[in-house]
Amino acid sequence: DSGVTQTPKHLITATGQRVTLRCSPRSGDLSVYWYQQSLDQGLQFLIQYYNGEERAKGNILERFSAQQFPDLHSELNLSSLELGDSALYFCASSVGVGAGSDTEAFFGQGTRLTVV
Amino acid sequence: LAKTTQPISMDSYEGQEVNITCSHNNIATNDYITWYQQFPSQGPRFIIQGYKTKVTNEVASLFIPADRKSSTLSLPRVSLSDTAVYYCLVGGGATNKLIFGTGTLLAVQP
Repeated sequence: DSGVTQTPKHLITATGQRVTLRCSPRSGDLSVYWYQQSLDQGLQFLIQYYNGEERAKGNILERFSAQQFPDLHSELNLSSLELGDSALYFCASSVGVGAGSDTEAFFGQGTRLTVV
Repeated sequence: LAKTTQPISMDSYEGQEVNITCSHNNIATNDYITWYQQFPSQGPRFIIQGYKTKVTNEVASLFIPADRKSSTLSLPRVSLSDTAVYYCLVGGGATNKLIFGTGTLLAVQP
């Protein structure tokens, strides 16, 4: 158990819908990262938050947004869903900002999103 | 942003030592080299991290030459349960991003 909790574990929804994925980081970790993993694209970095502020951005679509709340949990919002958004979405957390030697991140078990 | 290159796949047998090499020609001064392991449908798990020379822990060793343009993850005496995808990451420096490459699928056979 990594200490990172993601809910829900599975989600099936229709095209055009909007969903929210939730992540609770390890106790004490200030950074939260979101990744998308599909079969043909590997593990894609989406976005990172540190202590409530956006820290780094990857190839996150405009239809996707995220935030980190004062209690440090994070939510990833996916809207206008398309079939191609079907993937495993992972959340990870780390103590610091991910700079220097702070590259040990702890991953949750992921949310498997299926868009039909 | 430093790009990494790894073999797509490797085969091995139980009990053998496995070495997976990662190339990262554009590594920055502040970047560390980190390796993760991922089993199917699970989140990646941290294995080892280093900056230069050699690092060893209870599960693996990491060899980094002086120019730091490559690194080698060494897994001693692999078992079937080591079958997984292994990712080499270079970052944590100015980019503040943990970017995963395509990874190496290690298949361990009996």
